[in-house]
Amino acid sequence: DVQMTQSLSYLAASPGESVSISCKASKSISNYLAWYQQRPGEAYKLLIYSGSTLQSGTPSRFSGSGSGTDFTLTIRSLEPEDFGLYYCQQYYERPLTFGSGTKLEIK
Amino acid sequence: QVKLLQSGAELVKPGASVKLSCKTSGLTFSTTYMSWLKQVPGPSIEWIGWIYAGNGGTNYNQKFKGKATLTVDKSSSTAYMDLSSLTSEDAAVYFCARYNNYFDYWGQGVMVTVSS
Repeated sequence: DVQMTQSLSYLAASPGESVSISCKASKSISNYLAWYQQRPGEAYKLLIYSGSTLQSGTPSRFSGSGSGTDFTLTIRSLEPEDFGLYYCQQYYERPLTFGSGTKLEIK
Repeated sequence: QVKLLQSGAELVKPGASVKLSCKTSGLTFSTTYMSWLKQVPGPSIEWIGWIYAGNGGTNYNQKFKGKATLTVDKSSSTAYMDLSSLTSEDAAVYFCARYNNYFDYWGQGVMVTVSS
């Protein structure tokens, strides 16, 4: 199975700051990577797929980059609603696998 | 507007089975792939499998073969997952989601507790 590693399990930042969340695959997955956000009491939300393509409705302050094994989700100018859990997921091969998540909290 | 509405929390005894439901609206169910996922505290998400509503074809994560059975009812646009022979390791929050290689719409999740 492809192991997805999010090295930072926790990240604290202030509104208005920019943050980057990293995700590393155990083998090359091309750009078959998605990013999700989970906020308390809400359903998971797809933010980005194909490594860098914004899902309809995802604010432009979100961006994704990377290919192969190393990927980054960047959020510019954090808004209060951006705080929550973020996961990466590979769909290069089955079984589909997720990172362990990065919790973004307000500093 | 796409909605996936999952059934309520379940408390089940060890060794028993449980059937979870996911009623969809706002999508063309007959051409949809529906997936189920498991989240345990950690937090960690595992993909269980998907089912193509058009013909009932399935694909399972090897880890969940024999544990989960996915079905659909096209007449009600509802996806189901049966979990059998439950143990404490099956206690988790289970999500349904529309599968498109990634998961673009999710249900709200349902907590399954396994306890005597």
